[in-house]
Amino acid sequence: DIHLTQSPSSLSASVGDRVTITCRASQGITDSLAWYQQKSGSAPKLLVYGASTLETGVPTRFRGRGAGTDFTLTISSLQPEDFATYHCQQYYGNSITFGQGTRLEIK
Amino acid sequence: QVRLQESGPGHVKPSETLSLTCSVSGASLTSDSYFWTWIRQPAGKPLEWVGRIYTTGTTTYRLSLRSRATISLDAPNNQFSLTLTSVTAADSAVYFCAREEAAAGSFLNYYNYIAVWGKGTTVIVSS
Repeated sequence: DIHLTQSPSSLSASVGDRVTITCRASQGITDSLAWYQQKSGSAPKLLVYGASTLETGVPTRFRGRGAGTDFTLTISSLQPEDFATYHCQQYYGNSITFGQGTRLEIK
Repeated sequence: QVRLQESGPGHVKPSETLSLTCSVSGASLTSDSYFWTWIRQPAGKPLEWVGRIYTTGTTTYRLSLRSRATISLDAPNNQFSLTLTSVTAADSAVYFCAREEAAAGSFLNYYNYIAVWGKGTTVIVSS
């Protein structure tokens, strides 16, 4: 299985800040990467797929980039509702794996 | 709008079999070309893909669960199910059913992602 490593594991930031979360794959996965937001006690919500395609209805302050082994999710101006845990997910060889998650907290 | 709802026992004893059902509304399991998927999340741990079933009934499982997991379709009731045998405490988790979709990438590749999620159901394995 391909292993995904997210960094940082946790992050404190303020409303209005720009933050970037990184996801690194153990081998190249082209653009087969998605990002999810999960709030406590809820299911994950799809934000980005194909590394950079924004899901319908997701605010444009979210941006996904990357290809190969290195990927980023950037939130350009944090809003109160953005404080949550973010997961990356890859698809390769008919299998799916997730990163360990990045918890975004209010400073 | 597609909705998925998990159901099943909240507690299972070690060595017994876990059975969960996902009821789907707003989409047909057999006429729409999607994958129907189970994902779990142990407390405080990362999400773990369990496996999927396609509309044709073709299944794919996480390698480590292949010998214990079975996913099946119940077309008349528009439901799909997960059965996990010989459970241990390590199988305790929130279990999500979901719709997995495929798309074409920019590198002549295809990739899958989880587009729609159920709310999840908690399963605890304990004697």
